Amino acid sequence: DTEVTQTPKHLVMGMTNKKSLKCEQHMGHRAMYWYKQKAKKPPELMFVYSYEKLSINESVPSRFSPECPNSSLLNLHLHALQPEDSALYLCASSQVAGVYYEQYFGPGTRLTVT
Amino acid sequence: EDQVTQSPEALRLQEGESSSLNCSYTVSGLRGLFWYRQDPGKGPEFLFTLYSAGEEKEKERLKATLTKKESFLHITAPKPEDSATYLCAVQDNAGNNRKLIWGLGTSLAVNP
Repeated sequence: DTEVTQTPKHLVMGMTNKKSLKCEQHMGHRAMYWYKQKAKKPPELMFVYSYEKLSINESVPSRFSPECPNSSLLNLHLHALQPEDSALYLCASSQVAGVYYEQYFGPGTRLTVT
Repeated sequence: EDQVTQSPEALRLQEGESSSLNCSYTVSGLRGLFWYRQDPGKGPEFLFTLYSAGEEKEKERLKATLTKKESFLHITAPKPEDSATYLCAVQDNAGNNRKLIWGLGTSLAVNP
């Protein structure tokens, strides 16, 4: 089963709100990723977790806060976002972080910041 | 600097009209090249991984090939349901090898 699930599918939030995006995989993968994707652009890496530890932060603003409670779950906590943060947020997982292993993506959360 | 270029940007085919999409790359050392398909508003769907020049992989109407400088995604007798954006990404030997370098994609439309 190569499935990554994400909730919610859609999210509309004001600039003062706090919300969280959730991601889950049951493939036994030990690497999980958050990406941001704008229209007609490829996914842009935000964070990488390897064995539940944050291994890459691509200089993402602190209003995005990732969390990996266990090997199957990944959260992205959102606070005080800006309208330009509106995008499709994608979660992905791979067997391990690094070489050779393809990443499997979830369906994404469409985030609109008003 | 590592770079991935996909061409054409957009392609419109008639059903049954075979064609190829190109992904050319410049990296210090290739660890893997990945093809994904993405439907509007959805996450990318993994298609193929290629590791070394000369390698080929097939899945239904799709066949991916790899040379030392580029990869082709051949679509044989496409159907309307093959309409999507096809993304190519590479992983290199140097530096941060956990990060994929993405092309901008080819938007494919197959008319019935």
